Amino acid sequence: SQKIEQNSEALNIQEGKTATLTCNYTNYSPAYLQWYRQDPGRGPVFLLLIRENEKEKRKERLKVTFDTTLKQSLFHITASQPADSATYLCAPLYNFNKFYFGSGTKLNVKP
Amino acid sequence: DTGVSQDPRHKITKRGQNVTFRCDPISEHNRLYWYRQTLGQGPEFLTYFQNEAQLEKSRLLSDRFSAERPKGSFSTLEIQRTEQGDSAMYLCASSFGWEGNEQFFGPGTRLTVL
Repeated sequence: SQKIEQNSEALNIQEGKTATLTCNYTNYSPAYLQWYRQDPGRGPVFLLLIRENEKEKRKERLKVTFDTTLKQSLFHITASQPADSATYLCAPLYNFNKFYFGSGTKLNVKP
Repeated sequence: DTGVSQDPRHKITKRGQNVTFRCDPISEHNRLYWYRQTLGQGPEFLTYFQNEAQLEKSRLLSDRFSAERPKGSFSTLEIQRTEQGDSAMYLCASSFGWEGNEQFFGPGTRLTVL
């Protein structure tokens, strides 16, 4: 079965810096990969989607990359703000309709 | 209401009891997903509906779990003979169109089995 790995240790950064989160997967590449944000006690909220044939996707301060050779996706938040503090989940889509979520990385942005 | 709603938000039950959760997706969404999430973990896929048809079901889902989506609108998830290991947050999500579209998650139902 597919294994999705995200850094379980929290990422602590200073406000204004760029946060980079990693999502590694095993076996074959997914057709799509989504990134979500989750705040405590709430359901995940969709941020970005990147397709297998795309190298990079941007949305405002967010950027996602997809490297099928390294079997890795990177999620970047530039000019980070304390309001960006949350857990970020990656979710590759493999077979038809089943998403596998990583365990998430908690981001702490300190003012 | 423009979001996904779930009911109840919290459920405390004794081991061996049956529980049922309800999910109301965004009205025009044809896809509906159920997930289970435990502390420190990401959502774990349970099952998927396209309209009223249940097209995918996790092998992790035991026979004690059943889900329905009559008429392709709201969905229910029932757990029979609950066990302490069933304690978790149960999340519902819906989406529209193709399989890669964003999923809109509800607030979840937190189940505690004593």
